[in-house]
Amino acid sequence: GAGVSQTPSNKVTEKGKYVELRCDPISGHTALYWYRQSLGQGPEFLIYFQGTGAADDSGLPNDRFFAVRPEGSVSTLKIQRTERGDSAVYLCASSLSPGGGQETQYFGPGTRLLVL
Amino acid sequence: GDSVTQMEGPVTLSEEAFLTINCTYTATGYPSLFWYVQYPGEGLQLLLKATKADDKGSNKGFEATYRKETTSFHLEKGSVQVSDSAVYFCALSAGGTSYGKLTFGQGTILTVHP
Repeated sequence: GAGVSQTPSNKVTEKGKYVELRCDPISGHTALYWYRQSLGQGPEFLIYFQGTGAADDSGLPNDRFFAVRPEGSVSTLKIQRTERGDSAVYLCASSLSPGGGQETQYFGPGTRLLVL
Repeated sequence: GDSVTQMEGPVTLSEEAFLTINCTYTATGYPSLFWYVQYPGEGLQLLLKATKADDKGSNKGFEATYRKETTSFHLEKGSVQVSDSAVYFCALSAGGTSYGKLTFGQGTILTVHP
């Protein structure tokens, strides 16, 4: 079946602009995660959704970042007033359920964001 | 807080050499441990995992054993191939109120030459 998909694959924007990044998880997966990966680093957790609600948003760096998942499937990560430091690869992952942390997370290909 | 430390890279090996990539962790409770791999031009994919102490995860000739006494989860392969060239990430999931979120190491670049 289809894996996790993310659009766009690349996004170039100017400092101060607003961007939206989309994630389409594997069908039937109730848990959805966003991570951010800077060059040469491992992914860092941003936010976790169980169904429609954000159960843990402790990784969002500041209030310019926001994410939604209104119907419990597709999620959108929104970044306001982008800064050059926001440049990174944004990864989405989904799993059947949190399962106490034992469930495998399936990752999308990522969106490479470049803020000029 | 939770953290994962991987050996410094990059690692360069000849085909059929033995591979070890060290990984140690700090976590409260009893985390699950994972190795993810990122092949050139592809997304992250799970290589193997272990969910309790002394468990051994294995896949594609790779193995890693969950060692609680040394808080380690070292990745090994007896004979690497050129196709194993990739970036390898060690990760943990603390479970409980962490809701399964993954904490990753910084990644180790492996290059295998013919």
